[in-house]
Amino acid sequence: DQQVKQNSPSLSVQEGRISILNCDYTNSMFDYFLWYKKYPAEGPTFLISISSIKDKNEDGRFTVFLNKSAKHLSLHIVPSQPGDSAVYFCAASGNTGKLIFGQGTTLQVKP
Amino acid sequence: DAGVIQSPRHEVTEMGQEVTLRCKPISGHDYLFWYRQTMMQGLELLVYFNNKAVMDDSGMPKDRFSAKMPNASFSTLKIQPSEPRDSAVYFCASSAEGQITSYEQYFGPGTRLTVT
Repeated sequence: DQQVKQNSPSLSVQEGRISILNCDYTNSMFDYFLWYKKYPAEGPTFLISISSIKDKNEDGRFTVFLNKSAKHLSLHIVPSQPGDSAVYFCAASGNTGKLIFGQGTTLQVKP
Repeated sequence: DAGVIQSPRHEVTEMGQEVTLRCKPISGHDYLFWYRQTMMQGLELLVYFNNKAVMDDSGMPKDRFSAKMPNASFSTLKIQPSEPRDSAVYFCASSAEGQITSYEQYFGPGTRLTVT
């Protein structure tokens, strides 16, 4: 039973354009959401997060949107750069300290 | 400041053998997590510790997997006997008590395990 789903295994965008990565969850008890970025042969690194009391959080080129009624969040990267090419994981937590991760989306940004 | 350290980085073993993965968390971090990355399941949480005590091991196949944290700076994940389906990348992560409200975890580089 996958509580956090990333339905797009891969995404390809042109440099300078917007990248939109999507994530859906099923557990309404989740109250904190995070995005991690992973390069090959490295561990995931924290990118950005959002609490369930907000619907948007922005950090430079990265913005996360949360739609609680739809149990959906998205990560927007504007403008996309070739160095953004990586696997992106969304994760959710329900106040236990434990994170539930999605399967990941591989983003390729073409120069 | 050193990040999370894992060893070995790569391990190739034969089915039936015992495998031990090691992790040194970031100094001062109270939480330690073991994950397994597979293509189908993404990052699965196997077990996590708070102040060396197991908090949740529901994701760990207990017939063959065991995890220990004998002190605040060291943890092991042991698989005995290993099976080909255990082939995956295993990550260790840690976080600090104060950060648990933001849930940010710091990951090691992973151990790539291949069981033939």
